[in-house]
Amino acid sequence: ETGVTQSPTHLIKTRGQQVTLRCSSQSGHNTVSWYQQALGQGPQFIFQYYREEENGRGNFPPRFSGLQFPNYSSELNVNALELDDSALYLCASSSLREGPREQYFGPGTRLTVT
Amino acid sequence: DAKTTQPTSMDCAEGRAANLPCNHSTISGNEYVYWYRQIHSQGPQYIIHGLKNNETNEMASLIITEDRKSSTLILPHATLRDTAVYYCIVRVAEIQGAQKLVFGQGTRLTINP
Repeated sequence: ETGVTQSPTHLIKTRGQQVTLRCSSQSGHNTVSWYQQALGQGPQFIFQYYREEENGRGNFPPRFSGLQFPNYSSELNVNALELDDSALYLCASSSLREGPREQYFGPGTRLTVT
Repeated sequence: DAKTTQPTSMDCAEGRAANLPCNHSTISGNEYVYWYRQIHSQGPQYIIHGLKNNETNEMASLIITEDRKSSTLILPHATLRDTAVYYCIVRVAEIQGAQKLVFGQGTRLTINP
């Protein structure tokens, strides 16, 4: 286990609704990244948070937003859910220090949009 | 970030060494090679990374060719629990920039009893 936790484990929502997913980073890590993994595909980078600010974003629309809190935990919010948002959402934490840094992933939240 | 090419799938017998190749012919001088794996329905797991020297840790060894255009991940004594999708990723080790990992399709490694 990596020490990165995510909640909830599974979630079912209806198209048009809003959802909030949560992530607690590994102790000592100050950077959180979010990824979306559709069935049969590799994870895709959504965005990253460092010092409570967005620090890089992938090719996702503004209805995907996030927060990072002073304790480095993070939330991913998705508004106006679409069927294609059904996926495994992964959170990864790392330490923003000099040099190469590995990311440690949580178990993910499986979101189903009906 | 440089693109990587990996075989879609591989098989290996339990107890044997599993050698997973990765081509990254357009890698830049400041890009590292990372390997992650994802066991079914779990989050990806970091395995190892390297720049130009061979690296070894408790999980695996990473062999990078002298021209850095390809690498091989070696699991020395594969077990059934090593069955997973293995991702080879190359990226720059930035200080302030986003630590974005670009995942391809990976190699589905099946360890057979």
